[in-house]
Amino acid sequence: KAGVTQTPRYLIKTRGQQVTLSCSPISGHRSVSWYQQTPGQGLQFLFEYFSETQRNKGNFPGRFSGRQFSNSRSEMNVSTLELGDSALYLCASSSLGASGNTIYFGEGSWLTVV
Amino acid sequence: AQSVAQPEDQVNVAEGNPLTVKCTYSVSGNPYLFWYVQYPNRGLQFLLKYITGDNLVKGSYGFEAEFNKSQTSFHLKKPSALVSDSALYFCAVRDKGYNKLIFGAGTRLAVHP
Repeated sequence: KAGVTQTPRYLIKTRGQQVTLSCSPISGHRSVSWYQQTPGQGLQFLFEYFSETQRNKGNFPGRFSGRQFSNSRSEMNVSTLELGDSALYLCASSSLGASGNTIYFGEGSWLTVV
Repeated sequence: AQSVAQPEDQVNVAEGNPLTVKCTYSVSGNPYLFWYVQYPNRGLQFLLKYITGDNLVKGSYGFEAEFNKSQTSFHLKKPSALVSDSALYFCAVRDKGYNKLIFGAGTRLAVHP
């Protein structure tokens, strides 16, 4: 069974540009969540989607957005990039909406903003 | 608000010795607790979780964790450390009702030959 797949793995963008990251969850998983990892702030929750609906959102500016498609694949977008957006962006998936189900992570997308 | 604390930035241990990585939590109600490991330039790998039941949870790669409700702790342990265990370890608590994890700051484990 394939794991959580994220593309692209590495990318470099210029300040002011926008970026779209993609995530394919484990087959059968309907919940997808996104996290930002930086050396200074650690792992921070961005948002979660379940059955194409955003269920929960972290404390990030509106420049960060996401969506989920009917096949459970998800994308996140960051507009008007800032240097501080340089981070590892991790996607995670889980089979059900809550309870004790394990949350599995992808390898991440490394974003560098110059 | 739920939170997790990992009091040690780094843990050093000699290969073959037992290791412990500490985690304490603050939640309302019964916690759902997780441990993940991150190798350099990689994503997070699931190690183990506590949902309910036995306080000693066994996970991947020989790791186990002990849930202690009275001390609100969920320490990660391994009887005999390997150099290949050197990595960044994260403790996390699940936000009830959502697939949202609240992470500790992480503990870097260094196992020396």
